[in-house]
Amino acid sequence: EAQVTQNPRYLITVTGKKLTVTCSQNMNHEYMSWYRQDPGLGLRQIYYSMNVEVTDKGDVPEGYKVSRKEKRNFPLILESPSPNQTSLYFCASLPGRGHGYGYTFGSGTRLTVV
Amino acid sequence: GENVEQHPSTLSVQEGDSAVIKCTYSDSASNYFPWYKQELGKRPQLIIDIRSNVGEKKDQRIAVTLNKTAKHFSLHITETQPEDSAVYFCAASQVLDGQNFVFGPGTRLSVLP
Repeated sequence: EAQVTQNPRYLITVTGKKLTVTCSQNMNHEYMSWYRQDPGLGLRQIYYSMNVEVTDKGDVPEGYKVSRKEKRNFPLILESPSPNQTSLYFCASLPGRGHGYGYTFGSGTRLTVV
Repeated sequence: GENVEQHPSTLSVQEGDSAVIKCTYSDSASNYFPWYKQELGKRPQLIIDIRSNVGEKKDQRIAVTLNKTAKHFSLHITETQPEDSAVYFCAASQVLDGQNFVFGPGTRLSVLP
């Protein structure tokens, strides 16, 4: 089944403790993105990647890092989480130029930083 | 950069009535406009999309219209059913250009039985 898999689904952590949210897609998509969703603010892009080893900042990149060492994986790293990063996070992938439209989203990761 | 506004933020309709959600965008270079439905606790899912070379697109009870001159597009849902209750997001993008994919803030639609 074609899908984007995120882990974990739920995570509670303490301020300053490094964490990684994993994202993997099995559709050979070129584009991958991370979004955070907060009430009243919709979906805001954190980072995106157009292909392996190519990443760039979205609208709200502060406090986050990403890497794209393989096409299928796009982990989101919070080096020193803070309470304002409490949010619902979605990873999403897109086929790439000339191959189709629209993002496929993962199931989401609900992160709470205390 | 692109800015997408969406109205209304909440919408309640009686079952069987129609619902209309409107979005405006700012970047005239945007040419791809998808709509996503997000049910409570679930991921956003693409329900319909339109490209700028088309003025209207229909898929059963849902349709999207696009006015390029005015830079606005709308989602129309006819004969609403309780399972249509969800948050709907519009987005604007340049086709296949992942970095310029901007979402509206969302509309919470409630279909009352």
